[in-house]
Amino acid sequence: KNEVEQSPQNLTAQEGEFITINCSYSVGISALHWLQQHPGGGIVSLFMLSSGKKKHGRLIATINIQEKHSSLHITASHPRDSAVYICAVYSGGGADGLTFGKGTHLIIQP
Amino acid sequence: KAGVTQTPRYLIKTRGQQVTLSCSPISGHRSVSWYQQTPGQGLQFLFEYFSETQRNKGNFPGRFSGRQFSNSRSEMNVSTLELGDSALYLCASREGTSGGNEQFFGPGTRLTVL
Repeated sequence: KNEVEQSPQNLTAQEGEFITINCSYSVGISALHWLQQHPGGGIVSLFMLSSGKKKHGRLIATINIQEKHSSLHITASHPRDSAVYICAVYSGGGADGLTFGKGTHLIIQP
Repeated sequence: KAGVTQTPRYLIKTRGQQVTLSCSPISGHRSVSWYQQTPGQGLQFLFEYFSETQRNKGNFPGRFSGRQFSNSRSEMNVSTLELGDSALYLCASREGTSGGNEQFFGPGTRLTVL
């Protein structure tokens, strides 16, 4: 069973700061999701990646398959980025369900 | 395309009752997965259906069951509800079941068991 660890668990930062959230997993994967969850519960998929780096607006996600590690970066953070960020992985070729980290609760103060 | 929809959005039941939740996937998506989210355990995989067949099941008791219809819509059922079943239940759809298929989540059904 894959173990997914995220750090930090909680992060409070000032508007404009560069944010990094880390995710490590224990077993080889076929893909990794970064998800965003706002109060109220809805989950949005930010990225799905299996190698390298992806960028969307102010968000950047990287993955190092050999080190079993991924990072999510937010540049020029804004209060609307305040949310829970969750790392989730597919093991078993993708046929198994997602295994989730416990999430990082991010607060960006104006 | 319309996103993943779930009904109802909120539900209150009492212990011992049963409940059925519904999920309509994105058009063209044949896979539907169900997840439970609680403050203590976080997000956990319940099961996935593809082409009306259960593909995989998480570590949940038999009180949790599901099915998928020919139009890919899915339902999950929880029988003999317990207080600990209070949770946000999320479904997600994807085109297929390989690791390259991204999942798209619905808004969730918040179940409260009294």
